[in-house]
Amino acid sequence: DSGVTQTPKHLITATGQRVTLRCSPRSGDLSVYWYQQSLDQGLQFLIQYYNGEERAKGNILERFSAQQFPDLHSELNLSSLELGDSALYFCASSVDSRVHIQYFGAGTRLSVL
Amino acid sequence: DQQVKQNSPSLSVQEGRISILNCDYTNSMFDYFLWYKKYPAEGPTFLISISSIKDKNEDGRFTVFLNKSAKHLSLHIVPSQPGDSAVYFCAASALQGGSEKLVFGKGTKLTVNP
Repeated sequence: DSGVTQTPKHLITATGQRVTLRCSPRSGDLSVYWYQQSLDQGLQFLIQYYNGEERAKGNILERFSAQQFPDLHSELNLSSLELGDSALYFCASSVDSRVHIQYFGAGTRLSVL
Repeated sequence: DQQVKQNSPSLSVQEGRISILNCDYTNSMFDYFLWYKKYPAEGPTFLISISSIKDKNEDGRFTVFLNKSAKHLSLHIVPSQPGDSAVYFCAASALQGGSEKLVFGKGTKLTVNP
């Protein structure tokens, strides 16, 4: 158990809808990262938050947004969903943003029908 | 543009033998390299890392070798066990804008046969 909790484990929705994925980092970790893993792809970095502030952005679509709350949990919002958004979404956390080891949650599998 | 490449999608070895997983990278700014292991329905689990100033790091049955001139790293598992069957991701880290950013390869599925 990595100590990173992601909910829900599975999500099935329709095109055009909006969903929210939730992540609770390990106790004491200030930095949260979101990744997308599509079929046969590696993990693609989406966005990073550190202590409530956005720190880095990767290949995140404009339809996607995230935030980190004062209790350090984070939410990834996906809107106007398309079939191609079906993927595994992972959250990871680290003590701070300068540490190279990240600890991953079990992921949320999103299916857009 | 794939900065981290794992050219072998899969690898099959016999129990007790050595497993060698390979990874190539293109960015000279990477300062750490990591290996993660992933079982089905679980998130990636950190396995071992190596700093760019080292050429070898060992942890039990796992050893990572780094060849900076060739921009190549490898993970050796000796001896391989059936429980090692998983997808292994190579990742590289670079400090950008005050944060360490991880770039992942697509993974190699290792199967260890009893």
